[in-house]
Amino acid sequence: EVQLVQSGTEVKKSGESLKISCKGSGYSFSNYWIGWVRQMPGKGLEWMGIIYPDDSHTRYSPSFQGQVTISADKSISTAYLQWSSLKASDTAMYYCARSTYNYAYGHWGQGTLVTVSS
Amino acid sequence: QSALTQPASVSGSPGQSITISCTGTSGDVGAYNYVSWYQQHPGKAPKLMIYEVSNRPSGISNRFSGSKSGNTASLTISGLQAEEEADYYCSSYTTSSTLSLLFGTGTKVTVL
Repeated sequence: EVQLVQSGTEVKKSGESLKISCKGSGYSFSNYWIGWVRQMPGKGLEWMGIIYPDDSHTRYSPSFQGQVTISADKSISTAYLQWSSLKASDTAMYYCARSTYNYAYGHWGQGTLVTVSS
Repeated sequence: QSALTQPASVSGSPGQSITISCTGTSGDVGAYNYVSWYQQHPGKAPKLMIYEVSNRPSGISNRFSGSKSGNTASLTISGLQAEEEADYYCSSYTTSSTLSLLFGTGTKVTVL
C-alpha cells in the first residue's frame, strides 16, 4: 500500500527556520514525482513545486521560488520542504503528494500544520 | 495566471446532477488533456476523483465524470449523495512561466 507520512504540527516564531518531511513507503520512492501543496486557513490549494527523488530535479511555482527549498533523500525515501526564515504568512497546512498519473496526485500525505507567530 | 476559475459554490438535492466548471486559458486547460479533479472534505487531505480530463482512478464511483471543451473543463456528479458535500478543486498542467501545475479556486458543493 502506498503511504506518505508527514511530520507533525509545528509552532514557530517569525524569522525561525523549519524543515518538514514526507516519508514514502509501499512503492519505489525514487521513481515518482513528489509535489508540495499549501493550503492557507480557509483557502484553496496552491501548488508550490515538485521534486523527482532519483536525481533531485526540482521545479518551483514562481510564487514560491526563493521562498522555500524542496529536497529529497532517496536513501530514506523522504522528501522535505524547508524555510530559512519563516513569516506569519507561512501559516498554513502543507501537503505532500505523489504523482500517480500525468500531473495528477493520487496519493497524499496527511498534511503538516505550520503555525508562525509574529 | 495564478489560478483556474471555478464557481465559489454549487448546490443540489440528493439524486440530482450538478456540474462544476473550471476555466483556464489556451496555455493550460485548453492546451493539454492533463486536467484533474480533487474532492476535499473538511480537515482531510484532497482525494483524486478524475485525471486526464475524464478518467476515474480505481475505486471512484462512475457517478463522477469529467469533460473538457476549449479552455473549460467540467466535473459532473450524477445522483448526488449527502457524503459528496465537500470542496472540489480542478488542476491543470501549464507551461505558463515556470509553473507546472495550476489549481482552481475551489467550489463548495452543498447537498440540500
